[in-house]
Amino acid sequence: ELKVEQNPLFLSMQEGKNYTIYCNYSTTSDRLYWYRQDPGKSLESLFVLLSNGAVKQEGRLMASLDTKARLSTLHITAAVHDLSATYFCAVDIDTGKLIFGQGTTLQVKP
Amino acid sequence: GAGVSQTPSNKVTEKGKYVELRCDPISGHTALYWYRQSLGQGPEFLIYFQGTGAADDSGLPNDRFFAVRPEGSVSTLKIQRTERGDSAVYLCASSLLSLVGGANVLTFGAGSRLTVL
Repeated sequence: ELKVEQNPLFLSMQEGKNYTIYCNYSTTSDRLYWYRQDPGKSLESLFVLLSNGAVKQEGRLMASLDTKARLSTLHITAAVHDLSATYFCAVDIDTGKLIFGQGTTLQVKP
Repeated sequence: GAGVSQTPSNKVTEKGKYVELRCDPISGHTALYWYRQSLGQGPEFLIYFQGTGAADDSGLPNDRFFAVRPEGSVSTLKIQRTERGDSAVYLCASSLLSLVGGANVLTFGAGSRLTVL
């Protein structure tokens, strides 16, 4: 069975702190995406990771991909309140057929 | 249009009724996808269209669910004899389906929230 597992599922952190969200998957895909979802809103694409060792950074977020370990990470540096949202990783197994993780809800407290 | 448009944004219906959900993708996007998101979960794939034809409908849960895209643009997801378990947010996404550089980034709509009483 194809599985994408994220941990933690819920993360409460103080502003200014660093943390990492982990995404493990069970298939051999080398296309992995990170999305952000605000409450009641749709999914916003954050990062596209296409090869082993890929690293992408945007502001305080950095995503990486290790296809051999079937692991992606989303690292948050010096968190700010605006980063509060739910983050999903998704593995593309076939032309846009995505398998999503359960999501990690991030709450950044002042 | 500028983004993926879905209507209605909210639909409340009674068990056993028929429901249609509409998706208007980004102009020029050849691929269209339907996903379903239950509360507290990640989206689950239902079906995807390449042009007018359903290229993969393996995620449709049963034969009460059907989707069409007759002219290769707007799509309608149809649910017959709705059940309470069908309550969820139905998300539509579209893409250029261009694997140049390997990426196929889906742009999602805001979703249609279906509640079956």
